[in-house]
Amino acid sequence: RKEVEQDPGPFNVPEGATVAFNCTYSNSASQSFFWYRQDCRKEPKLLMSVYSSGNEDGRFTAQLNRASQYISLLIRDSKLSDSATYLCVVWSGGFKTIFGAGTRLFVKA
Amino acid sequence: DTGVSQNPRHKITKRGQNVTFRCDPISEHNRLYWYRQTLGQGPEFLTYFQNEAQLEKSRLLSDRFSAERPKGSFSTLEIQRTEQGDSAMYLCASSLNGSGNTIYFGEGSWLTVV
Repeated sequence: RKEVEQDPGPFNVPEGATVAFNCTYSNSASQSFFWYRQDCRKEPKLLMSVYSSGNEDGRFTAQLNRASQYISLLIRDSKLSDSATYLCVVWSGGFKTIFGAGTRLFVKA
Repeated sequence: DTGVSQNPRHKITKRGQNVTFRCDPISEHNRLYWYRQTLGQGPEFLTYFQNEAQLEKSRLLSDRFSAERPKGSFSTLEIQRTEQGDSAMYLCASSLNGSGNTIYFGEGSWLTVV
């Protein structure tokens, strides 16, 4: 079993739609959680950290469920520019920052 | 721009040649990482430095790979006797101890072995 698992998609949604991604992690001792965005042939860029109480940044909402060991990302009012791969990232201390394989999102006009 | 800097950005080399990539992390960051990414996969951990000490190496890092971080500043990743399977994007990232380990990536170095 992979340490961080994501549905690879692709998710094809129309502009304005709401879309949600989930990610599960296996290490119950994991300490920090993040979502990164990666455009084609570019480096991953931090989208947002994920806090235990849940957090929101504009159209993006992240949730953490420690009991079930999953993280979610909700994107409201999707824009064409949201088309990218979204990477779930889990830090378990020290050097252990583990990336999921990513979920691909295509937003269409 | 004070982000993570990598060079060269692209490298095409013949099988069997040696290549070296350089990474300059964000200046105050003491942690430095190398990752490798292939199409359709997330970044895979290769190695980690805290200051100048290389504290962890992945089993993915064969004997042909070596990384250094002299003086705890920039880092180099060398691949000797390159193979076609080494073709990938090599990503450098850095973070600051105690920041919850938010890591920041450079733009990556694309390696194509022909």
